[in-house]
Amino acid sequence: GQQLNQSPQSMFIQEGEDVSMNCTSSSIFNTWLWYKQDPGEGPVLLIALYKAGELTSNGRLTAQFGITRKDSFLNISASIPSDVGIYFCAGRPGEETSGSRLTFGEGTQLTVNP
Amino acid sequence: SAVISQKPSRDICQRGTSLTIQCQVDSQVTMMFWYRQQPGQSLTLIATANQGSEATYESGFVIDKFPISRPNLTFSTLTVSNMSPEDSSIYLCSSARLAGLQGEQFFGPGTRLTVL
Repeated sequence: GQQLNQSPQSMFIQEGEDVSMNCTSSSIFNTWLWYKQDPGEGPVLLIALYKAGELTSNGRLTAQFGITRKDSFLNISASIPSDVGIYFCAGRPGEETSGSRLTFGEGTQLTVNP
Repeated sequence: SAVISQKPSRDICQRGTSLTIQCQVDSQVTMMFWYRQQPGQSLTLIATANQGSEATYESGFVIDKFPISRPNLTFSTLTVSNMSPEDSSIYLCSSARLAGLQGEQFFGPGTRLTVL
């Protein structure tokens, strides 16, 4: 099946620093979604991207849909302690013509030191 | 976004027993899904719950082990049958209002299952 390579696997940063993480695929994706999961909770949708080259912001978060349709990145600016959690990318493969099946990356564990 | 609730939030079960997890969405949605998330891992799709018909299972998951019901547009159940310790995971329900490319998926809080 489709696989997404998400990196880095974990990050340890100081409060106030900017963060960047990305996902890549060997095949084309039509949709990229970025989720955050706190301990004991379900993933929460942060940003959704639908067009190649699209750049979308949600507060301090910015995500882009790669122009090749095979990658996406998420940036977090001026990190704060509540940014701690696991961030997942998810994509909908290019050959999906019906339904909404998503493929998830392996996640990036973010730790923010106050 | 849809608000999704799951019951139970957690359970500890004995080997060989079965557990049914309920998922309730606060509004009518087109698509409902069940995922498994093993400790420290990413999410894996188990199946798509289809209203009024049999669920569509992903490779590696079968109906006898994970029977799913979806009697209407807002409710679905997942049963984990004949459990073993390997079934210890978080089980997540998700929903999307629309099928296809614009169907953003939203997740419930998950059911944390421990099998002894």
